[in-house]
Formats: sequence, structure tokens, C-alpha cells
Amino acid sequence: QVQLVQSGAEVKKPGSSVKVSCKASGGAFNTYTLVWVRQAPGQGLEWMGRIMPMFRAVDYAQKFQGRVTITADESTSTAYMGLSSLSYEDTAVYYCARVQNSWYFDLWGRGTLVTVSS
Amino acid sequence: EIVLTQSPGTLSLSPGERATLSCRASQSLDSSYLAWYQHKPGQAPRLLIYGASTRATGIPDRFSGSGSGTDFTLTISRLEPEDFAVYYCQQYSASPLYSFGQGTKLEIK
Repeated sequence: QVQLVQSGAEVKKPGSSVKVSCKASGGAFNTYTLVWVRQAPGQGLEWMGRIMPMFRAVDYAQKFQGRVTITADESTSTAYMGLSSLSYEDTAVYYCARVQNSWYFDLWGRGTLVTVSS
Repeated sequence: EIVLTQSPGTLSLSPGERATLSCRASQSLDSSYLAWYQHKPGQAPRLLIYGASTRATGIPDRFSGSGSGTDFTLTISRLEPEDFAVYYCQQYSASPLYSFGQGTKLEIK
């Protein structure tokens, strides 16, 4: 059974960076497309970016361009989401999810809480 | 840019009742690239419906989706206690690649 296992909670200071991991257990990682989605407290779901490891292709939501970096290590079946220049507004739960048929998200990680606090 | 607008923001119903949730797109969606998710506090979102009307694996048949173009509906025929959650619609298009509606909170009356 395929699972997406995310790294643990992080506390970061304003202006710093964070890197969250998402390891796929089972399945053919290099054939996956993965997305990162976040949910800030009291807010809805927000798409951040997508990676297709097989094609070495990455797309980012315009809002996060220049601040987010999504990478993948096929040797460890792990995707990473890095976010720089953190502000209090980046406090959120960050999810990775597998994309099915290029467009819907059928498998989700359990989320990683990132808290930005001085 | 396609924007999804969900209504109502909050829906208060009792177990056993029928729930109807709406999602309206600012532009027509190709091939019904519209999905619905259920999200409970502390849990990962759960895919319910894709292609506007196809139930995902393991989803009970009390959940159904309909619609095309710009207007889509998620219907829960008879609410069970575990159905009270926040529901999001999601679209796929050129710009932005993916986006969600703002959510509908389904709460117990």
C-alpha cells in the first residue's frame, strides 16, 4: 500500500527557510506527479507547486514564485518543498499529495505543521 | 485565471438530511476537471469525487457529484455523523494549474 510520509513539525524564525520532506513508500516514485498544498490557520487549501520527477519538470503557483523550491530525489523516493523568507503568514500545515491522471489528488500525506515564530 | 466560488460558506443540517453543496467556476472547465475533497481537522484531505461525477475508491454511494461547464454540485443524500467536515472543490486548468474553492463547512444543526 502506497503511503506518503512527511517530516515532522518545524518552528522557524521570520526570515529563515524551511524544508519539508515527503517520502513515498511503495509504488513507482519516478512515475508520480506530486503537489504541495498548504492550509493556514482558519484558511482553505492553497496549491503551491507541482513536480514531475520523470520529466524533471516543476511548476509553481504565481504567489510563491521565487520563494518556493520543489525537488525530488528518486534514489530515496522523496520529494522536498523548501520555502524561504518565512513570515508569520507562512504558519500553516503543509501537505504533499500524489496527482492522478495529471489533475486530481488521490493520495495525501498527513501534513507537516510549520510554525513561524520569533 | 479561473476562480472557484463555493456556496454556502456554512451549511447547518441534521444527520439523515440531504446536503447540497455548490461550486461555481469563473470560466468553463474543460472535460469537467473538477474534484471534491472532504477535510476533517487534524486529518489529510480525502478525495471524494473526480471528473465532476466519478466517486473515488471506497467512497460511499451517498456521495454524488454532478455538473459541467461552470456549475458543479456535491450531494450527500443522507448525512451520517462522520460526514460533518469541510468540503472543497478543486479544478485543473492552464491558469492557475490547480486551485481550490474556499470551502463549505458542513456542521451539525
